[in-house]
Amino acid sequence: QVHLVQSGAEVKEPGASVKVSCKASGYTFVNYYLHWVRQAPGQGLEWVGWIIPNTGATYYARKFQGRVTMTRDTSITTAYMDLSRLTSDDTAVYYCTRGGGSITSAGLLDYWGQGTLVTVSS
Amino acid sequence: DIQMTQSPSSLSASVGDRVTITCRASQGISNSLAWYQQKRGQAPKLLVSAASRLERGVPSRFSARGSGTDYTLTISSLQPEDFATYHCQQYYGPPQTFGQGTKVEMK
Repeated sequence: QVHLVQSGAEVKEPGASVKVSCKASGYTFVNYYLHWVRQAPGQGLEWVGWIIPNTGATYYARKFQGRVTMTRDTSITTAYMDLSRLTSDDTAVYYCTRGGGSITSAGLLDYWGQGTLVTVSS
Repeated sequence: DIQMTQSPSSLSASVGDRVTITCRASQGISNSLAWYQQKRGQAPKLLVSAASRLERGVPSRFSARGSGTDYTLTISSLQPEDFATYHCQQYYGPPQTFGQGTKVEMK
């Protein structure tokens, strides 16, 4: 069965960077889009961006462009999200989530990781 | 970017009630609409894809419909395990965007 297992909670100071990992198993990693979605405390879901594991191509929400970098290591079926220049507004649970296998279903999110809480505080 | 307007933001209901949540897109999304259920402290769970297709294992008391810009999720007879937050999402094109969420609470 499909599993996405994320790295543990992080506490960062404003201005720092954070890197969250997402280990995928139970499916062919390179065949499905991999997205990152975040949720601030008490708020809704916010899409951050995606990576195509097969090629490494990325697409980021405009709000995060210049601050986010998504990468992957296909040899260990793991994706990463690096977010820099953190502010208190970045305090949220960050989820990795699997998208579809084709461009028409790329944004359909069928499996989710457990979430990683990133807290930004001085 | 396509904006998704979900309503209501919250509702109070009793077990057995019929509940309907609405989602409106700022432009046509060709039924590329998903619904997710999120319980407290958990990751979202995909309930519906392609506007009306229930995922495997989703109870038949859930139904969804819509086209163009307007979509609905209905729970025909609310059960205790259905108290949760529901999110709509368009996946017509990047960036994917979500509605604000609807919290279904016990009356």
